[in-house]
Amino acid sequence: AQSVSQHNHHVILSEAASLELGCNYSYGGTVNLFWYVQYPGQHLQLLLKYFSGDPLVKGIKGFEAEFIKSKFSFNLRKPSVQWSDTAEYFCAVNIDSGYALNFGKGTSLLVTP
Amino acid sequence: DTGVSQDPRHKITKRGQNVTFRCDPISEHNRLYWYRQTLGQGPEFLTYFQNEAQLEKSRLLSDRFSAERPKGSFSTLEIQRTEQGDSAMYLCASSLQGSYGYTFGSGTRLTVV
Repeated sequence: AQSVSQHNHHVILSEAASLELGCNYSYGGTVNLFWYVQYPGQHLQLLLKYFSGDPLVKGIKGFEAEFIKSKFSFNLRKPSVQWSDTAEYFCAVNIDSGYALNFGKGTSLLVTP
Repeated sequence: DTGVSQDPRHKITKRGQNVTFRCDPISEHNRLYWYRQTLGQGPEFLTYFQNEAQLEKSRLLSDRFSAERPKGSFSTLEIQRTEQGDSAMYLCASSLQGSYGYTFGSGTRLTVV
């Protein structure tokens, strides 16, 4: 079955640590890839997206993600996290330019001071 | 424009009752989506409108679920004869045709007791 997998459900980091959250998908067609963030008590917000071109995409708040087609992966990275990055992070895939986003289960990130 | 608005924010209902949620999308967005999010899961696609036309409804969870967008502006999601398993966050999103810039609302949290 087609799916989006996020490997880490809960991550705890100290401020200034580097972050990498994994995302793999199992679709074989054309994909558009997204990372969304949900801060406590807030709505889902788009961090970054990949449609085509340079596989390394930069988003808001210092986040970036790399699309590796051969690995069906779209991992999210940030070199130095801040306490304010504490949130739930969701990877999402849109296949074949359709309308629906297929989300992973999310990763809860806690950044400690 | 304050983004996608959903009403109510919270709804507690007794099992067997009907509930209706409202979504007001960003005014210039012609596409509107409904998602459901349960605890520990990512959002799950339910249905999609382009203007007033419901172009995909096969992923509505059962025939107790229905959605409308009568004038191509706001939308309603109705759940009839609610069950405890319907307890979840119901999310609405909107976008412009041809854009993958989905904007999500804050959601309606439904609790069925």
